[in-house]
Amino acid sequence: KQEVTQIPAALSVPEGENLVLNCSFTDSAIYNLQWFRQDPGKGLTSLLLIQSSQREQTSGRLNASLDKSSGRSTLYIAASQPGDSATYLCAVTRTGNQFYFGTGTSLTVIP
Amino acid sequence: DTAVSQTPKYLVTQMGNDKSIKCEQNLGHDTMYWYKQDSKKFLKIMFSYNNKELIINETVPNRFSPKSPDKAHLNLHINSLELGDSAVYFCASSRQGGMGTEAFFGQGTRLTVV
Repeated sequence: KQEVTQIPAALSVPEGENLVLNCSFTDSAIYNLQWFRQDPGKGLTSLLLIQSSQREQTSGRLNASLDKSSGRSTLYIAASQPGDSATYLCAVTRTGNQFYFGTGTSLTVIP
Repeated sequence: DTAVSQTPKYLVTQMGNDKSIKCEQNLGHDTMYWYKQDSKKFLKIMFSYNNKELIINETVPNRFSPKSPDKAHLNLHINSLELGDSAVYFCASSRQGGMGTEAFFGQGTRLTVV
């Protein structure tokens, strides 16, 4: 059974800092890994999708990397802003259509 | 134009009632899902459904049932609601599973059972 873990569970940083969020998964036979953002009381917004054949994806200040063999992904956020405050979730898919979600990292960026 | 939309956004109801949550996607996706987010914010799959297959998470009580009138809709019916059913329910959609499958989520329905 696929288990997805995110560390740290919560993170608080001053504005302007670069930061890294971690995601690990137990079964490396994945098709994709997707990073989401969830604002309080809101739905999930897709940030980046990495296919298993890819090593990284970038969007603006966000960069996600994938090391499938070791079962790890990182989400790098450059020059953090208060608007980045949210919960960040990673999810992996393998055969079939099920997305397995991590436990989330709650990020607070202090102005 | 919202890609995945759910209604209602909030639902407060008494124990024992039967309720439905509606979900629609306009992305032309083949597969739709229902997820439950508990008080600790953990997202757990309840169902995934396409026109060929319904996959049910074995831990979901049979009081919960998905109904799909067409490919763009997957509604969630809940019978005999219990206090423990209080949670946020998310609908999502994607293309048929495989490489490059990206999921899109609705805004969630916060269900409170009193």
